[in-house]
Amino acid sequence: GAVVSQHPSWVICKSGTSVKIECRSLDFQATTMFWYRQFPKQSLMLMATSNEGSKATYEQGVEKDKFLINHASLTLSTLTVTSAHPEDSSFYICSATEGQGRHEQYFGPGTRLTVT
Amino acid sequence: AQSVSQHNHHVILSEAASLELGCNYSYGGTVNLFWYVQYPGQHLQLLLKYFSGDPLVKGIKGFEAEFIKSKFSFNLRKPSVQWSDTAEYFCAVNARGNKLVFGAGTILRVKS
Repeated sequence: GAVVSQHPSWVICKSGTSVKIECRSLDFQATTMFWYRQFPKQSLMLMATSNEGSKATYEQGVEKDKFLINHASLTLSTLTVTSAHPEDSSFYICSATEGQGRHEQYFGPGTRLTVT
Repeated sequence: AQSVSQHNHHVILSEAASLELGCNYSYGGTVNLFWYVQYPGQHLQLLLKYFSGDPLVKGIKGFEAEFIKSKFSFNLRKPSVQWSDTAEYFCAVNARGNKLVFGAGTILRVKS
């Protein structure tokens, strides 16, 4: 149980275009989903926290207009990288928690974004 | 701000050797502590977690970790590693709501 999927697993896009990444909880309802970014040989950095039906909470330094997060249902959150630039190339990982007051996060497999 | 430090970025061990990966955090209040593992080409998986109670926590695949509050530490241990333990290991701390703060990770390579 507690499986989180991401789609696509990798994507290449041209500079200036937008890319949407989906995160789904397959067998549970995710009250909260998190989006992380992982640079090569570095740890995961939390970008934002999204609760179903409400606006995402962004971490300091993360541009909310650039990284649009939507959590429209209890099983789906999307991250849209708008007007992508090469410096946005990274590994994006989502995670989800089940129920209220639970602190264990289940992680998706990640999406490798390359902006050319 | 909370931070998590992992002492070694790369560790190389021979099979059957004992493993200890260090993790220290900076936060004075109540914390939940986690160790995650990322096998090559796979996503992060939870190894073990500490919320309260017995500070010696046993996880999957023979791993255990000890929470020492006075030292702000949560070191991961395994008495005898296997080649299949080759992976990257992340320590993480949760102190505010559901947010996790991760350490930089330790890459473990086990030689067969």
